[in-house]
Amino acid sequence: DADVTQTPRNRITKTGKRIMLECSQTKGHDRMYWYRQDPGLGLRLIYYSFDVKDINKGEISDGYSVSRQAQAKFSLSLESAIPNQTALYFCATGRKSTGQGSLRETQYFGPGTRLLVL
Amino acid sequence: GEDVEQSLFLSVREGDSSVINCTYTDSSSTYLYWYKQEPGAGLQLLTYIFSNMDMKQDQRLTVLLNKKDKHLSLRIADTQTGDSAIYFCAESIGSQGNLIFGKGTKLSVKP
Repeated sequence: DADVTQTPRNRITKTGKRIMLECSQTKGHDRMYWYRQDPGLGLRLIYYSFDVKDINKGEISDGYSVSRQAQAKFSLSLESAIPNQTALYFCATGRKSTGQGSLRETQYFGPGTRLLVL
Repeated sequence: GEDVEQSLFLSVREGDSSVINCTYTDSSSTYLYWYKQEPGAGLQLLTYIFSNMDMKQDQRLTVLLNKKDKHLSLRIADTQTGDSAIYFCAESIGSQGNLIFGKGTKLSVKP
């Protein structure tokens, strides 16, 4: 079974609709992230959470909201979808470890949700 | 602000070595990472290097770090068609260790 799952895997919606993307993890990690990937732009961080109820804005949070009600779940909402939110969305979890006296984090990514906003 | 730069494309022949380059801006980054994204999948950690090292080798992979020039490279020896993927360089920043990713280098391996 996959450790980080995302639903749906593909979604087509219309401008103005509200949609929610779900992410679940069985890794037991406290940290969770939402990224979007666009061709030629790489990965950009939307929101992240270091614990239940902890929410932090990333680089491109406008037009998005998130909810972290449980350690294992982190959902991303588009309140009113617009075409330039068409992208590939990834959820990730983060595992911290300490090495050489510094913090290191390994991120584990879900398979992605492909979203098309018409 | 923090930025990580990579070239977008690299094409090599099967059996050759591939070298993917990356430059970063945050001199206080303690760890630098290489992630691999295969077609239709999420990113997967390939390897990482601590900032006080200048080289790390792991089977066919060699990571070189020039901290003075803020330059990181990933060398893949004997490149195979299964190595075709997008490779992302990332640096950790700040006290929380958030990752900043480059735009990714798409490696194409020709038979």
